[in-house]
Amino acid sequence: QVQLQESGPGLVKPSQTLSLTCTVSGGSISSGSYYWSWIRQPAGKGLEWIGRIYTSGSTNYNTSLKSRVTVSVDTSKNLFSLKLSSVTAADTAVYYCARESPRYFYDSSEPGYFDSWGQGTLVTVSS
Amino acid sequence: SYVLTQPPSVSVAPGKTASITCGGNNIGTKSVHWYQQKPGQAPVMVIYYDTDRPSGIPERFSGSNSGNTATLTISRVEAGDEADYYCQVWDSSSDLLFVFGAGTKVTVL
Repeated sequence: QVQLQESGPGLVKPSQTLSLTCTVSGGSISSGSYYWSWIRQPAGKGLEWIGRIYTSGSTNYNTSLKSRVTVSVDTSKNLFSLKLSSVTAADTAVYYCARESPRYFYDSSEPGYFDSWGQGTLVTVSS
Repeated sequence: SYVLTQPPSVSVAPGKTASITCGGNNIGTKSVHWYQQKPGQAPVMVIYYDTDRPSGIPERFSGSNSGNTATLTISRVEAGDEADYYCQVWDSSSDLLFVFGAGTKVTVL
């Protein structure tokens, strides 16, 4: 049973860069054909997808955040990371990492569902 | 971008059936996934690909999807089913690859 665990600073100053890491245990991040995503949730609000990465390094981002977001992977350490630059109070949220299982066809694939989630970590943007 | 519409809240008595809708333009042509989120916890998938249940999810949870509405049905509701429920699809034309509904709070009376 794969487990995901977010880590990183809980407090970030405005205009600085938010950096989080998601450590994957119970299996290799490179095994299977999964994508690895970041999702956030402001207090009392819904879920917002931020971006995802495949172990090849291929990424997709939420267009509204794309200019500020970088998702990377370190297969040797079995983890993936999120960097969000120029943060404001609007970026205050619980940040989740999650594993996505795509649907594969004989010659293509399409995005799927999130079958494993980290417990989430609260990041507050404040001076 | 693609929009998913959920009712903010649904109330149901124990032992009864709760139906949570997720509306979207021709959502019946998309695959819909459902998540349950209890306070202070991460979401847990309860239905994937419209109707499939992950192992460990009770048979009381079922899903359907047709036309402009997908529905999550919880039969014989228990107190432990009280939670927020989110629907999710992917949309290639959207600004964000994955779209979530705003969530429905299920209250067990």
